Amino acid sequence: GAVVSQHPSWVICKSGTSVKIECRSLDFQATTMFWYRQFPKQSLMLMATSNEGSKATYEQGVEKDKFLINHASLTLSTLTVTSAHPEDSSFYICSARDPTERVLLPWGTFGSGTRLTVV
Amino acid sequence: DAKTTQPPSMDCAEGRAANLPCNHSTISGNEYVYWYRQIHSQGPQYIIHGLKNNETNEMASLIITEDRKSSTLILPHATLRDTAVYYCIVRVASWANSGYSTLTFGKGTMLLVSP
Repeated sequence: GAVVSQHPSWVICKSGTSVKIECRSLDFQATTMFWYRQFPKQSLMLMATSNEGSKATYEQGVEKDKFLINHASLTLSTLTVTSAHPEDSSFYICSARDPTERVLLPWGTFGSGTRLTVV
Repeated sequence: DAKTTQPPSMDCAEGRAANLPCNHSTISGNEYVYWYRQIHSQGPQYIIHGLKNNETNEMASLIITEDRKSSTLILPHATLRDTAVYYCIVRVASWANSGYSTLTFGKGTMLLVSP
């Protein structure tokens, strides 16, 4: 089955620094990737949708200058949290959608998530 | 999309079958029932989906009532590793690219499998 690798699985950074999270589709080409954020005991919240080769579409309330998304290839998307602050501490999850399975798996295959802690 | 209702939590003894219910009384004819789960500190994992017929795969079985207003996910022999939040989602399966950004898992059912 489809495998999505997300790295790192956890990261601690100082306030004001930037952190990059990678999401890779290992055995398929993902034309669309999604980035989510999840706070403790809450459901996933979609942050943005990225299509390979074009700008990401951000959900309302998500700062695009703070959460930079790059989807430069069909197998890699990155999320960079710029000038991170403690309130950005959260669990970030990506998903990658195989276009051949977009009907039956519309949300794609999820990565294992990245726990970001900003101190 | 049809709204779903799930119990907030359930307990199950290891080795026994776990039956997780989901109500989706406003489901329309072209909407599928999807089940995902999320183990603590991991990304969601697809389990199974169905439209009308009962479905079975290596992970679970999905039983959909004849009127399609409810369904049950069955884990035949629950293990400790099945402890997770289970989400039931109803969604149209479509070739259209729009609309998927509104995915919400809701609160799901927290299944606790005990020794």
